[in-house]
Amino acid sequence: AQTVTQSQPEMSVQEAETVTLSCTYDTSESDYYLFWYKQPPSRQMILVIRQEAYKQQNATENRFSVNFQKAAKSFSLKISDSQLGDAAMYFCAYLVEEGGSEKLVFGKGTKLTVNP
Amino acid sequence: ETGVTQSPTHLIKTRGQQVTLRCSSQSGHNTVSWYQQALGQGPQFIFQYYREEENGRGNFPPRFSGLQFPNYSSELNVNALELDDSALYLCASSPNTGHSNTEAFFGQGTRLTVV
Repeated sequence: AQTVTQSQPEMSVQEAETVTLSCTYDTSESDYYLFWYKQPPSRQMILVIRQEAYKQQNATENRFSVNFQKAAKSFSLKISDSQLGDAAMYFCAYLVEEGGSEKLVFGKGTKLTVNP
Repeated sequence: ETGVTQSPTHLIKTRGQQVTLRCSSQSGHNTVSWYQQALGQGPQFIFQYYREEENGRGNFPPRFSGLQFPNYSSELNVNALELDDSALYLCASSPNTGHSNTEAFFGQGTRLTVV
């Protein structure tokens, strides 16, 4: 079964500092997609960054970057120069293709607090 | 903000009742997926609709059903509501199947409370 594990229920960071959120996953596929989503109190899931497994280069989106370790099945998110607006729940997710459809399998999330 | 809209935003129902939740997908998107997010958990896949047909389902009982309309908007229906159905229900739309969910956009969800 495909699973996604986020071992940090909560994290905190000082404004302008850097924080890393951890994620591990389990799959037998060789090509797949991984994602980090942000869910602020407004509840809408917002895509932060995505990584395709066959691409060895780590994805980067402005202040957000990932450390993708395929052999270790690890996919951590680094947020640089943290801002107050980064405070939210962060979910790691993996795209699974089953029976002609695709679904996202999410971890339980990490609550990020940004302290001024 | 995405073009995916869900209604209503909040809903309170009594155990045993039936509920219908609605999702209007982003323009140009013909695939809609529904997720249930219980308090303190990540979203769980309920089912997916593509061109008005269900083409994938998660581990949810048959009392969870859905529809997709010719304009690709969608409904989620839940019969015989149980207390454990209380959750945030999220809709996601994407352009088409085939790794399309790499471009899924979520709505703001419907918060359902069953009492």
